[in-house]
Amino acid sequence: QSALTQAASVSGSPGQSITISCTGTSSDVGGYDSVSWYQQHPGKAPNLIISDVSNRPSGVSVRFSGSKSGNTASLTISELQAEDEAYYYCSSYTRSTSVVFGGGTKLTVL
Amino acid sequence: QVQLVQSGAEAKKPGASVKVSCKASGFIFATFAVAWVRQAPGQGLEWMGCVSTDNRKTNYAHYLQGRVTMSTDTSTRTAYMELRGLRSDDTAIYYCARQWGLNMFDSWGQGTLVTVSS
Repeated sequence: QSALTQAASVSGSPGQSITISCTGTSSDVGGYDSVSWYQQHPGKAPNLIISDVSNRPSGVSVRFSGSKSGNTASLTISELQAEDEAYYYCSSYTRSTSVVFGGGTKLTVL
Repeated sequence: QVQLVQSGAEAKKPGASVKVSCKASGFIFATFAVAWVRQAPGQGLEWMGCVSTDNRKTNYAHYLQGRVTMSTDTSTRTAYMELRGLRSDDTAIYYCARQWGLNMFDSWGQGTLVTVSS
């Protein structure tokens, strides 16, 4: 099972908004409303920030939002802050292997 | 609060086996599945599989079939992941995570570094 496709890196200035995309196929992202997003700071375990495409767990900032169109899911972070600098991973349920992750996107806050 | 505490780092030789534990607290253990996810140095996350804590049903990633066993002990609220026939490319941080539904991992262990080297 190939990993979902994410850009290797993205950057933005404090206060700006950025969007990270996660592209799969109709067998994973496009076929199920089961996309999650995780934030991972260096040396730390991942942290769930979005589930089921657009649900934000309790305690996660409203600046994080998720959406999906066809085979591509997106994570938008508004009002960028320095603390948002981290790696972001998407994951999707997939009929063939159950769960597949994206390759990860490094967010740099300029 | 929900907490998953994993066993310590391991150093193994190629061909050996490793068993990592993940002790849970702060929630009803028997109502969730435990997933295992690994991360090779400088690389992304890779789902390995999951084990249901009530009926012990397992679901393994295809690339690990035959080499991995995931299990749970409800009496000690502990999940285990055993990986056999270790190779150098199994060197990674191994995480356990509480799994909700199909694809949501809302609490993670601190990670266990497994190093495979001759």
